Amino acid sequence: DQQVKQNSPSLSVQEGRISILNCDYTNSMFDYFLWYKKYPAEGPTFLISISSIKDKNEDGRFTVFLNKSAKHLSLHIVPSQPGDSAVYFCAASEAWASGSARQLTFGSGTQLTVLP
Amino acid sequence: DGGITQSPKYLFRKEGQNVTLSCEQNLNHDAMYWYRQDPGQGLRLIYYSQIVNDFQKGDIAEGYSVSREKKESFPLTVTSAQKNPTAFYLCASSMGLAGSTDTQYFGPGTRLTVL
Repeated sequence: DQQVKQNSPSLSVQEGRISILNCDYTNSMFDYFLWYKKYPAEGPTFLISISSIKDKNEDGRFTVFLNKSAKHLSLHIVPSQPGDSAVYFCAASEAWASGSARQLTFGSGTQLTVLP
Repeated sequence: DGGITQSPKYLFRKEGQNVTLSCEQNLNHDAMYWYRQDPGQGLRLIYYSQIVNDFQKGDIAEGYSVSREKKESFPLTVTSAQKNPTAFYLCASSMGLAGSTDTQYFGPGTRLTVL
């Protein structure tokens, strides 16, 4: 039972255009959401995050939107660049009952290809 | 130059052998984690540790063991009991902040292949 779903395994976008990557979740206890970028045979790199008390967070070319009622978040990249080509994972977390460490639940990833 | 290091990057072992993957961080983070990634899938949590000398099982702990004797180090042993050990293993750490905004940062990963 996947609690975090990325339904598009791949996305192709022209350079300079907007890339929109989507993520849906089912667990209403999730209160913190993150996007990571990953190249093959490397560790994921943290991109941007959003707390459930917000509906938008922006950092340069990257904006994350959260729609709690729909249990949906999206990552917008504007403008897209060829160097953005990578696998993008969304992840969600909830506070555990004890302690402060948090488990991240990951989606299966979306391969973004930005065409020059 | 702060970060998380994992060694080696590629590791080959024969079936039935135990193997230990290294993870070191100099970020002064309290919490450390081990994940596994299989092709076409997201990352799945194996073990995590909130403080030294404490660790907890994640979703897929069977066939793995860990130790946390030092804050900086969180080695993972893949035992012969792990049925499908070939995978990409990722170590992560976080400050371990109470509250909602604790971000995990990842090392470069170790690709383990069991022959």
